[in-house]
Amino acid sequence: GAVVSQHPSRVICKSGTSVKIECRSLDFQATTMFWYRQFPKQSLMLMATSNEGSKATYEQGVEKDKFLINHASLTLSTLTVTSAHPEDSSFYICSARDQGRAVGELFFGEGSRLTVL
Amino acid sequence: AQTVTQSQPEMSVQEAETVTLSCTYDTSESDYYLFWYKQPPSRQMILVIRQEAYKQQNATENRFSVNFQKAAKSFSLKISDSQLGDAAMYFCAYRSAGNQFYFGTGTSLTVIP
Repeated sequence: GAVVSQHPSRVICKSGTSVKIECRSLDFQATTMFWYRQFPKQSLMLMATSNEGSKATYEQGVEKDKFLINHASLTLSTLTVTSAHPEDSSFYICSARDQGRAVGELFFGEGSRLTVL
Repeated sequence: AQTVTQSQPEMSVQEAETVTLSCTYDTSESDYYLFWYKQPPSRQMILVIRQEAYKQQNATENRFSVNFQKAAKSFSLKISDSQLGDAAMYFCAYRSAGNQFYFGTGTSLTVIP
């Protein structure tokens, strides 16, 4: 099956620093990847759609200058949380759609838990 | 925009018994896909089962099956012979023809030994 790998799985940083999270599709190419944020016991909130070779599309209310997304290749998207603050602490999940599959279901990374002190 | 509703925040089932998780959705599209994802405590979302809207036959994957009622816009998940490892959050998801995904709020399933 399609595999999406996300790194790091946990990160703790000081307030004001920046944190980068990587999302890789290991056995398929993904022109589009998605970044979600999940609060405890809640559903996934789509933050942005990462497009290979072009700018990401952000959902309403998501600060594009705080959450920088780069999709430099067909297998890698990165989310950088800039000048992180404690309210940015959350579980971040990436996903990608294997366009080689007819149904095109999403495959998810393992998630990254960010804690900002 | 499409909406996905999971009206059961929490469910519990006795080990080896059967449980049904409900999901309804709202759409004006005729061509779409539906999914059930499982999120165990490890937090990685895992695909459980998928259904193409144009298929009348209900999808089945081992102990997991769906009851897809297109006219009623209902897509319930049945777990048979429940196992302890089935304990997780279950999310119903809708994928539109335009490749947008919408998730329900989730159902937390507890399996009682």
